[in-house]
Amino acid sequence: GAVVSQHPSRVICKSGTSVKIECRSLDFQATTMFWYRQFPKQSLMLMATSNEGSKATYEQGVEKDKFLINHASLTLSTLTVTSAHPEDSSFYICSTGATTNEKLFFGSGTQLSVL
Amino acid sequence: RKEVEQDPGPFNVPEGATVAFNCTYSNSASQSFFWYRQDCRKEPKLLMSVYSSGNEDGRFTAQLNRASQYISLLIRDSKLSDSATYLCVVNGVYFGTGTSLTVIP
Repeated sequence: GAVVSQHPSRVICKSGTSVKIECRSLDFQATTMFWYRQFPKQSLMLMATSNEGSKATYEQGVEKDKFLINHASLTLSTLTVTSAHPEDSSFYICSTGATTNEKLFFGSGTQLSVL
Repeated sequence: RKEVEQDPGPFNVPEGATVAFNCTYSNSASQSFFWYRQDCRKEPKLLMSVYSSGNEDGRFTAQLNRASQYISLLIRDSKLSDSATYLCVVNGVYFGTGTSLTVIP
């Protein structure tokens, strides 16, 4: 069964609205969650790394005020795309793993379309 | 410079063919390497880990060359179901651009 549950799987919203994506770890404690974005025909680009109980670490070029990450518990991490615009339309996916040297467990991804 | 570089392809090969993908990485201190497979708009699924000694799983063979800083994936006797995008991952979180493979009947 799924190790990481991600919701929603698809969201369509108007420009200017905010969208929250949730990732829950099932049956284990995820101290770290990785958030990726994937544009069509491109690879997964790491956006940020969230750590339970502390501030997320953002990759260069990713606006932390635009992509708010919260990791308040060991089983839930959320990514909020604030004031979404059409250029934010993308596939967003979370993943977690015990350490960076182990395989990742992925959520099923969220396809965001901003009109 | 990108952490991981990968030839995006696409690779179009006939059934039964052997195909190989390479992935180079920039950080010589990198410790972990994986190959993932991703079908369109789905989450990546782990294909295999890559060890210094190389490893094989059925038709798939993965190799690591630390001196030249690249990893490779070899697929023998390609099946139609192998059509997907293959992603290399270095240090657990950095993905290559992915290589698109289409196996043709």
